[in-house]
Amino acid sequence: GAVVSQHPSWVICKSGTSVKIECRSLDFQATTMFWYRQFPKQSLMLMATSNEGSKATYEQGVEKDKFLINHASLTLSTLTVTSAHPEDSSFYICSARESGSGARDEQFFGPGTRLTVL
Amino acid sequence: AQSVAQPEDQVNVAEGNPLTVKCTYSVSGNPYLFWYVQYPNRGLQFLLKYITGDNLVKGSYGFEAEFNKSQTSFHLKKPSALVSDSALYFCAVRPRGGNNRLAFGKGNQVVVIP
Repeated sequence: GAVVSQHPSWVICKSGTSVKIECRSLDFQATTMFWYRQFPKQSLMLMATSNEGSKATYEQGVEKDKFLINHASLTLSTLTVTSAHPEDSSFYICSARESGSGARDEQFFGPGTRLTVL
Repeated sequence: AQSVAQPEDQVNVAEGNPLTVKCTYSVSGNPYLFWYVQYPNRGLQFLLKYITGDNLVKGSYGFEAEFNKSQTSFHLKKPSALVSDSALYFCAVRPRGGNNRLAFGKGNQVVVIP
């Protein structure tokens, strides 16, 4: 099956710093990538949808200046948490949708990145 | 608007017994239906999906799910649970057409007791 990687798998940073998380589709091209946030023992909350070569579409209540998303190529999307604060601590998961049509448009999930802001 | 309900918070089952994790949905039309499993500090792993055809879908690790259109349900089942099946299970739906985004249920923690 298709593989999606995330880097780093975990990161600890000081309050006020910025953190970049990378999401890569390793063996397929993904025109669309999704960024989710997950709190402990809760479901995934969609933050934004990222399309290659265009601006990301953010969900209601998600600050686009706080969570910068760049999807510069068909295999890489990045999420930058700017001026991180302790309340940004969470598990961030990306997913990538393989280009195709109909039933072949599946989403494949990365392993997640644990962000802890001190 | 689409919604997914997983009514139970936690499902406890003895090893070797049948496992059922319930899911109902509210989506217009005939959506695609998915089940994912998540182990601690890991991303989601795909288990199975329903697109069309046979209502009983077989997936990874011995899991299966039955699509019931009249009840708008897609319950996940395994005939004989293993301790290693203890994890968080998510049901998800995606409408055909439209924004094509997945909507997740809140998840069910499954605990298989040795």
